[in-house]
Amino acid sequence: ILNVEQSPQSLHVQEGDSTNFTCSFPSSNFYALHWYRWETAKSPEALFVMTLNGDEKKKGRISATLNTKEGYSYLYIKGSQPEDSATYLCAFYSGSARQLTFGSGTQLTVLP
Amino acid sequence: GAVVSQHPSRVICKSGTSVKIECRSLDFQATTMFWYRQFPKQSLMLMATSNEGSKATYEQGVEKDKFLINHASLTLSTLTVTSAHPEDSSFYICSARDPKRRSSYNEQFFGPGTRLTVL
Repeated sequence: ILNVEQSPQSLHVQEGDSTNFTCSFPSSNFYALHWYRWETAKSPEALFVMTLNGDEKKKGRISATLNTKEGYSYLYIKGSQPEDSATYLCAFYSGSARQLTFGSGTQLTVLP
Repeated sequence: GAVVSQHPSRVICKSGTSVKIECRSLDFQATTMFWYRQFPKQSLMLMATSNEGSKATYEQGVEKDKFLINHASLTLSTLTVTSAHPEDSSFYICSARDPKRRSSYNEQFFGPGTRLTVL
């Protein structure tokens, strides 16, 4: 069983604050790391697919970094807005398991 | 593009009845769909992989006679929870791969999920 952990489990920040959270995953058999944004009552929305060690990807105010050697990825949100409130999921794709293994998510609440 | 719908969004049923959940790819043809289950405060757990025109592949510990999966067309997969019991109460969510995207990283597009409550 692959272990994918996300921290913190939940987070409250004020509008305008920048924030970040972590996804840790096994450092062996790495193939890809997916980030999803999941708003209540909606479908999880793909944010990034990270594949190379040292990768950094950006989408508007959201960015992500990847360290496959030590097995972690950070997701950063700059200048958080209330519409950023959602659960952020990471999913590890290994070359051996050939399926996505999800973390339990970080629930972000941005207070106006 | 790559929109997946799921129906119903919420269902309450009595113990012993069967419940069918539909997963549809709206703007693409999905040869492979996935069914996940999520218990409170836990991660999405893969239950089975559904391939169009063939039998589903179930993960260890998932009873195939209890969770019947049918993927009869390229846009529809169904999950039927047979003889449901209170312990089957959970959040069920499907996803699909779009073969036209030719991704080797298992990119999946998700439905919004179904909350099942068995009384």
